[in-house]
Amino acid sequence: AQSVTQLDSQVPVFEEAPVELRCNYSSSVSVYLFWYVQYPNQGLQLLLKYLSGSTLVKSINGFEAEFNKSQTSFHLRKPSVHISDTAEYFCAAFPYGGSQGNLIFGKGTKLSVKP
Amino acid sequence: DADVTQTPRNRITKTGKRIMLECSQTKGHDRMYWYRQDPGLGLRLIYYSFDVKDINKGEISDGYSVSRQAQAKFSLSLESAIPNQTALYFCATSDRSTSGGGDTQYFGPGTRLTVL
Repeated sequence: AQSVTQLDSQVPVFEEAPVELRCNYSSSVSVYLFWYVQYPNQGLQLLLKYLSGSTLVKSINGFEAEFNKSQTSFHLRKPSVHISDTAEYFCAAFPYGGSQGNLIFGKGTKLSVKP
Repeated sequence: DADVTQTPRNRITKTGKRIMLECSQTKGHDRMYWYRQDPGLGLRLIYYSFDVKDINKGEISDGYSVSRQAQAKFSLSLESAIPNQTALYFCATSDRSTSGGGDTQYFGPGTRLTVL
């Protein structure tokens, strides 16, 4: 069975500090990988995704994630966070190549950026 | 205007009542989904529909039913609401023609349901 594990439920950091939100997946077939962000009182928005090609993918607001097949990881990083990055972040995997699959979400990591 | 809308945005009801949550989309997508979000549990899939005639159970379908009235509309019903169905409910859509793009899903703003 496929699964997605987000290793930290909460990550507090100070403004302008770097941050890494960790995500590991388990799947018997190949997967596409996603990070979604949920700002307070809002729905989920796609932040970035890995489908193929370069293993390093970037968002427009400075986040990046690297697909590591050998470690089955897709960690999200930002070199300098802002107060506005405070949100809950969800890692998700979409298994493909076998029978029709669905998006599998991790349990989320709450990023809290303090001044 | 939002591409994926949900009504109502908030609802308080009593145990045993029948409740319907509605989702509409203007994205022209063929696939639609219902999830519930609980603190610390992430998102769990309730039902999904790949087209009007194709409806499938997700991970936690017990106590719920759905109706795909048209390509653009997908409603979720709680036949007899119970307190542990108190949660945030999200509708999402995706497009089969771009599923080679990994089934990117687009979410509505959510419905906060409280069952007393």
